[in-house]
Amino acid sequence: GDSVTQMEGPVTLSEEAFLTINCTYTATGYPSLFWYVQYPGEGLQLLLKATKADDKGSNKGFEATYRKETTSFHLEKGSVQVSDSAVYFCALSGVTGSARQLTFGSGTQLTVLP
Amino acid sequence: ETGVTQSPTHLIKTRGQQVTLRCSSQSGHNTVSWYQQALGQGPQFIFQYYREEENGRGNFPPRFSGLQFPNYSSELNVNALELDDSALYLCASSLDRSNTEAFFGQGTRLTVV
Repeated sequence: GDSVTQMEGPVTLSEEAFLTINCTYTATGYPSLFWYVQYPGEGLQLLLKATKADDKGSNKGFEATYRKETTSFHLEKGSVQVSDSAVYFCALSGVTGSARQLTFGSGTQLTVLP
Repeated sequence: ETGVTQSPTHLIKTRGQQVTLRCSSQSGHNTVSWYQQALGQGPQFIFQYYREEENGRGNFPPRFSGLQFPNYSSELNVNALELDDSALYLCASSLDRSNTEAFFGQGTRLTVV
């Protein structure tokens, strides 16, 4: 079945440091790929997405490129801020019966220190 | 445009009891999915409802059931609660069942004691 493997956390960075969170996936077909962010006590917010190979999703300075050859969708940001502290989830959109559903990785806790 | 709202935000139940969680989907969305997020884990797909019918189900037992109403709001019911059911339950709505983008509510934190 579909699966998503994320870089183990937690990750602690200083403000303005470069961020990479690795994500690889296993899926049949050509899934769409997503990064979601979860702030403490809240639900999930879509951060960015890519729907086909070589697409680059970007939002709020975060970027990720859909790499079919390496089945990866690594999240990057050039300069993190304290406000980026949250849990980040990589996900893919697969199919169960006729339902399109999301399969998530286990999440990576990011803490950014001032 | 209103977002996805869930109620209640927190509740505590005793093992063996039954619970109902509620979700109002985003305006114009006809598809609702429910996810269970255990502490420190990623969300896991429970099931999806499309136009009031179950449209797909993950690896959860039948004591997890749901409903979707004509206004596309939804309920998740869990019978015979077990301690392992303690989790954050997330509702997500989509424009339709083929749309890959899902919008999540803030979740209901269920604690089973």
